[in-house]
Amino acid sequence: GAGVSQSPSNKVTEKGKDVELRCDPISGHTALYWYRQSLGQGLEFLIYFQGNSAPDKSGLPSDRFSAERTGGSVSTLTIQRTQQEDSAVYLCASSLAGAYNEQYFGPGTRLTVT
Amino acid sequence: EDQVTQSPEALRLQEGESSSLNCSYTVSGLRGLFWYRQDPGKGPEFLFTLYSAGEEKEKERLKATLTKKESFLHITAPKPEDSATYLCAVRKTSSGTYKYIFGTGTRLKVLA
Repeated sequence: GAGVSQSPSNKVTEKGKDVELRCDPISGHTALYWYRQSLGQGLEFLIYFQGNSAPDKSGLPSDRFSAERTGGSVSTLTIQRTQQEDSAVYLCASSLAGAYNEQYFGPGTRLTVT
Repeated sequence: EDQVTQSPEALRLQEGESSSLNCSYTVSGLRGLFWYRQDPGKGPEFLFTLYSAGEEKEKERLKATLTKKESFLHITAPKPEDSATYLCAVRKTSSGTYKYIFGTGTRLKVLA
């Protein structure tokens, strides 16, 4: 079956512009995660959704970052007034609900802020 | 402070030369340790989940083990196609939900 898909695959934007990144999880996966991966850094956890709700938003780097999930499926990560330090690969993952279910990752969106 | 440290940062092996990758952690409320493989330009691919100290899991040339402080990913007789970055992550409870903390990975290069 289809895996996790993300769009766009690449995004180049000017500093100060807003961007929206999209994630389509695996059908039936109720948990959805957003991560950021910067060059030479580990994956940085951003936010986790169980269904449409996000119990923990503490990983979002600043109030310029927001995320939503509708219909228990597609999620959008929005970055307002982008800064150069926002340049990174943004990865989305989904999993079945439950304590130990493994995450399946999408290919990521490479964001470059010029 | 919760921390996940992987070593070495990079490793070059000859084909058939077995070795081990290390993931040490200091985390409160551990609820699983995960190993992933990441190829360039792709998202991480799940390999193993380990739940408790003493547990071991195997898949082809890979074997993951877990103690109370660290995990090892043993690679037996590696092949060039095993070249990738191997990531370790821990899942912990936090304020009634879960968080994942990843290490920075070990870049493995297997030479033919």
